[in-house]
Amino acid sequence: NAGVTQTPKFRILKIGQSMTLQCTQDMNHNYMYWYRQDPGMGLKLIYYSVGAGITDKGEVPNGYNVSRSTTEDFPLRLELAAPSQTSVYFCASSYSIREGGNTIYFGEGSWLTVV
Amino acid sequence: AQSVTQLDSHVSVSEGTPVLLRCNYSSSYSPSLFWYVQHPNKGLQLLLKYTSAATLVKGINGFEAEFKKSETSFHLTKPSAHMSDAAEYFCVVSDPDTGRRALTFGSGTRLQVQP
Repeated sequence: NAGVTQTPKFRILKIGQSMTLQCTQDMNHNYMYWYRQDPGMGLKLIYYSVGAGITDKGEVPNGYNVSRSTTEDFPLRLELAAPSQTSVYFCASSYSIREGGNTIYFGEGSWLTVV
Repeated sequence: AQSVTQLDSHVSVSEGTPVLLRCNYSSSYSPSLFWYVQHPNKGLQLLLKYTSAATLVKGINGFEAEFKKSETSFHLTKPSAHMSDAAEYFCVVSDPDTGRRALTFGSGTRLQVQP
């Protein structure tokens, strides 16, 4: 069972560079999410998607973009990296958040440092 | 709007003694509530969830939590701590009825277990 797979696990970026965090899930989940976790904090929602072709902003979307061309994949793009984007990023998926609290499954995280 | 407050940022217990991690929530509707655990440099793992069935919820690794609507609390307990329980614990609330928004995380409680 692969579950939610995100790559890369670690990355160092220079200010102004761009990169894409990849996320794929093999559970046929409709909902996918990107969160960031800053030191000593809980997770904050960046973007989410309720199905292929549909994305929406979360709490902290500035500086990020997403796309959802397939059910399985939900990449997160950083266009112009800034030090404030140094964080741990988690991709997650669930069948449906409306279905009485379905479990959300998380990837193992991507540690991103912007210098 | 929903919110979660974890009342202790750090909890330290001795191995074999009880664990209590406190969580209060605010929600406009009947929420779903979760506890997730995060071991160092790992992703998040679901411990247990409450979805309006039994108010006492049993989870993995001997953890349980009780939903108390009158107190808006969802405290996590374990009768006897084990060294492997040392981790970060997140209380999470979800309001499926309020739209497509995902989870709201507490700021986390770091559990230390002393030998």
